[in-house]
Parts: sequence; structure tokens; C-alpha cells
Amino acid sequence: ETGVTQSPTHLIKTRGQQVTLRCSSQSGHNTVSWYQQALGQGPQFIFQYYREEENGRGNFPPRFSGLQFPNYSSELNVNALELDDSALYLCASSDSTGLRIGELFFGEGSRLTVL
Amino acid sequence: AQKVTQAQTEISVVEKEDVTLDCVYETRDTTYYLFWYKQPPSGELVFLIRRNSFDEQNEISGRYSWNFQKSTSSFNFTITASQVVDSAVYFCALSDPYGQNFVFGPGTRLSVLP
Repeated sequence: ETGVTQSPTHLIKTRGQQVTLRCSSQSGHNTVSWYQQALGQGPQFIFQYYREEENGRGNFPPRFSGLQFPNYSSELNVNALELDDSALYLCASSDSTGLRIGELFFGEGSRLTVL
Repeated sequence: AQKVTQAQTEISVVEKEDVTLDCVYETRDTTYYLFWYKQPPSGELVFLIRRNSFDEQNEISGRYSWNFQKSTSSFNFTITASQVVDSAVYFCALSDPYGQNFVFGPGTRLSVLP
């Protein structure tokens, strides 16, 4: 069983730039969600995709957008980067059906620094 | 609005001591799920337990136990005979009835000293 993998692990951008983060879901999972974790804080829910459709969104502006592909991998795109976007971005996959509902499997994250 | 509070920012204990991590939540949903996740220094959050709001039975898994009290909106986590490997940040979380739209607490950093 392949776990959740994210890329890149670290990246540095400057204000105003755009970034794309990638995530490969765990095999057999149909749902992917993205979280922003600032230093010393808990993860904040950005959005969730189920079968290529966004089906939940947290309190993040539209410049945060995403995609889920037919193989259930996913991308997080952030436009017009701001200094406050510096954080660890976590991808989590899950199986939205069955007995493991809500059990998230996380990747190790992509650490974004905005200068 | 949904909210999870973990009042303990950091806890330090000596190995073999018992330790309880507190979690208090707020939700308007009558059905919801509660979770605990562990984040070791490597950064990857690891699922520990899920509890349905209708199931108030306490649960024990090895050295871990959980106390869910709906009357006080609390879902506390106790580690018995702590070990150095238990050192991590622990997050309590709340989801909607479909196991989606998670809200995480700020976390409690547990340090277990040898």
C-alpha cells in the first residue's frame, strides 16, 4: 500500500508569485483534502475534493485553488503569494465510504517560504 | 461555528508518568466525529482514534485511553506509563457528520523526558 506523497518538500517563492503543490493519494482513496499549518498552530482546512469535484472549503480566498485528477492525485495552486502564506501545506487522503470514514492519511507536507 | 480548544500548549513529564491531554469542542451539529492525531518531529500527522458523537463509551488501546463526555463537550486523551517515543504534538479535531470539513485544535506539545 503506497502512502501519501507530496512534492516538493521545500520551496521558496517571492511575494506575488504563484505556486503549485502536488499530492499523490494513498491507493484506494477517493477523497483528498488540503491543510495549511502555520508554525506552532494546528492544520487549517483549505478544501476537499471527492471524485474530481470540490465538496468542501474552509475560510481561504479564491487565490487558493485546487484540482483532483482521475487517478485521485491532486494539486494545490496559490496565486499572488503573500508573506502570510508561508506555512507547511499538508495533503490528506481518505476513503469517504465504509468504516474508515474521516480517517485521514497525511503526507509529510510541502514547506513554503514566501519572501 | 465549530471550534476545538486545547488549553495545554506544552506538557513535560518524566518517563513512566501518566499524562492527560485535554480537548474541548464546540459545534452546532447534533452528529459529528471527534479525532486525535499525533504529529511526531517528522511532521506527518498520524491518526489515533475516531469517535462518533453517539458513542460515549470510553476506549482503551494499549497505553492509550480516551474519555468522551458529551455533557461537557470534552474528549480527553490519557497516556499511561508514558515513553520517550510518545513525545510529539497531539491534535484534537472535529468533523461534520460525513467525516469532512475538519477543524483542528492548536495542539499540545508533549515532551517525555527519560
